[in-house]
Amino acid sequence: QKEVEQDPGPLSVPEGAIVSLNCTYSNSAFQYFMWYRQYSRKGPELLMYTYSSGNKEDGRFTAQVDKSSKYISLFIRDSQPSDSATYLCAMSSAGNTPLVFGKGTRLSVIA
Amino acid sequence: DGGITQSPKYLFRKEGQNVTLSCEQNLNHDAMYWYRQDPGQGLRLIYYSQIVNDFQKGDIAEGYSVSREKKESFPLTVTSAQKNPTAFYLCASSTGPSYGYTFGSGTRLTVV
Repeated sequence: QKEVEQDPGPLSVPEGAIVSLNCTYSNSAFQYFMWYRQYSRKGPELLMYTYSSGNKEDGRFTAQVDKSSKYISLFIRDSQPSDSATYLCAMSSAGNTPLVFGKGTRLSVIA
Repeated sequence: DGGITQSPKYLFRKEGQNVTLSCEQNLNHDAMYWYRQDPGQGLRLIYYSQIVNDFQKGDIAEGYSVSREKKESFPLTVTSAQKNPTAFYLCASSTGPSYGYTFGSGTRLTVV
């Protein structure tokens, strides 16, 4: 079992749809959870950051962490064509252990 | 502006050659990382460094080498021992993994 599992998609939705992206993980020591957005041929950029369990909202984006189920989600409301990108989940435990990334989900929002 | 710069953006290598990818940051971050990204593979860790003059192997270090002589710089050398070097290479820096990474814009390496 891989440490972080993420459905690679691709996922195609119409403009205005609600998008749900998910990752599962196996390491119960993970405490810090992140979502990165990567446009084609660019470096990833940090989109959302959550510590431990709970929800975090930033504009149209909501990140959820359920540590009991080892499951994290990113919701995008009112999706726009500019949201078309690859979304990578990442997580780490305390200390200096490098981030562990999911493989990324490719999202296309169709106008 | 603070950031992390990778150069060149595109790089072509002949069989049997070593090439060096540059990564420079002015964010005053202690930690720096190199990842390789292939289609469908996600990000795979090559090497990382948490402090000057020290670095650790990641999951796929074979055929690569690094140095960390300055806090700002973490160059990656792709040696001729790396049998399949064609990929997108990403450099990142951080004050610590729990704070997330800042990525560069990447270098696309192609073997010709």
